[in-house]
Amino acid sequence: QVQLQQSGPGLVKPSQTLSLTCDISGDSVSRTSAAWSWIRQSPSRGLEWLGRTFYMSRWYNDYAPSVKGRITINSDTSRNQFSLQLNSVTPEDTAVYYCVRGDKRFVNTFDFWGRGTMVTVSS
Amino acid sequence: QSALTQPASVSGSPGQSITISCTGTNSDVGGYNLVSWYQQFPGKAPKLMIYESTKRPSGVSNRFSASRSGNTASLTISGLQAEDEADYYCCSYATIDISVFGTGTKVTVL
Repeated sequence: QVQLQQSGPGLVKPSQTLSLTCDISGDSVSRTSAAWSWIRQSPSRGLEWLGRTFYMSRWYNDYAPSVKGRITINSDTSRNQFSLQLNSVTPEDTAVYYCVRGDKRFVNTFDFWGRGTMVTVSS
Repeated sequence: QSALTQPASVSGSPGQSITISCTGTNSDVGGYNLVSWYQQFPGKAPKLMIYESTKRPSGVSNRFSASRSGNTASLTISGLQAEDEADYYCCSYATIDISVFGTGTKVTVL
């Protein structure tokens, strides 16, 4: 059974960088048919896909236009994990953040979700 | 990329059928046969109910079905049960290689 274990701070100051990590068990971050996404949810913005990473001879990333330029998603094959960095955060970035496994062929199909990490942006 | 439009709430009595709509544009729902649907209970992560517009993952009840026509996708729950009371979200592939969610629909079983 696939499990996604999220970790990272729950409080980030405005203008700083939000960093979260997702440890994968039961699957491999480098499996070529999988893609690994970050999705967030807030009352004001609803569910919002932020981006994904996947491996296909080399690593690829796709990012949502709303956060492009501020977001980086990386993978670590030795630790079988992937991570999110979101720069220059504002209170608008306050949300529950989920790490999610998807199908590489279809960017909008997500079959396993982490439990979510509540991140608050506040001074 | 704007969120897909869903009704805020839909309700029905046990045993009835309800349909949730999800309206987008030619750049997402209307341009690709790639809509997924998710069920979410309070405090929990969403669960995949439908993928590739009409397919059900293993373990999802056949009371859940979906379709797509033009820029609108629909999720139908047949034989509504109390356990179906949850929030439902659509999600579409959008140009180019991005994913956009719907605004969400709260389903109430009367």
